[in-house]
Amino acid sequence: NAGVMQNPRHLVRRRGQEARLRCSPMKGHSHVYWYRQLPEEGLKFMVYLQKENIIDESGMPKERFSAEFPKEGPSILRIQQVVRGDSAAYFCASKTSLMNTEAFFGQGTRLTVV
Amino acid sequence: DQQVKQNSPSLSVQEGRISILNCDYTNSMFDYFLWYKKYPAEGPTFLISISSIKDKNEDGRFTVFLNKSAKHLSLHIVPSQPGDSAVYFCAASAEKSSGDKLTFGTGTRLAVRP
Repeated sequence: NAGVMQNPRHLVRRRGQEARLRCSPMKGHSHVYWYRQLPEEGLKFMVYLQKENIIDESGMPKERFSAEFPKEGPSILRIQQVVRGDSAAYFCASKTSLMNTEAFFGQGTRLTVV
Repeated sequence: DQQVKQNSPSLSVQEGRISILNCDYTNSMFDYFLWYKKYPAEGPTFLISISSIKDKNEDGRFTVFLNKSAKHLSLHIVPSQPGDSAVYFCAASAEKSSGDKLTFGTGTRLAVRP
């Protein structure tokens, strides 16, 4: 019974390249969330998705960032034309559709922009 | 606008004693509160939660207290063990407005001395 799987664990990109982060939720979980943790800070909500739908993207930067959760396959967080300030740990979490239940987190992808 | 605040960045406790981690919030819409534990280079791990209809929830060595009028919650760990040394994040969600997305505090680093 695998948990939330994120890959890659570490990703190094040069400025201007694209970064693609993948997240496979726990089996039976239909809700996926992406969070970002900058150094010495807490986790900040980015986007909430269900299959084929973006429900809440209020935490996403307006440009260069996009997310999807297709009918088949993992959720993808995509960052185009990365800049040094995008360097952070990106965590995916999933949960069931039941309200007021805990979300389970993956191990994160640490993005370093050089 | 930090809606969830953990004002103590660090706490050091002797093994066997009680650890008390505090958390304050400002958004009165929050109705579900969680504590997560995080080790370096790993994702947050769910510890315990409490709904706003309760004022206490206990699970083994972990107890969470909620004071709605003061918008304050605390996590008690007793007895503390060296393996409890980690960063603890308080998180909150509002069922009716935000699809269970979590708002996190900035974390408290707990060190349990042998």
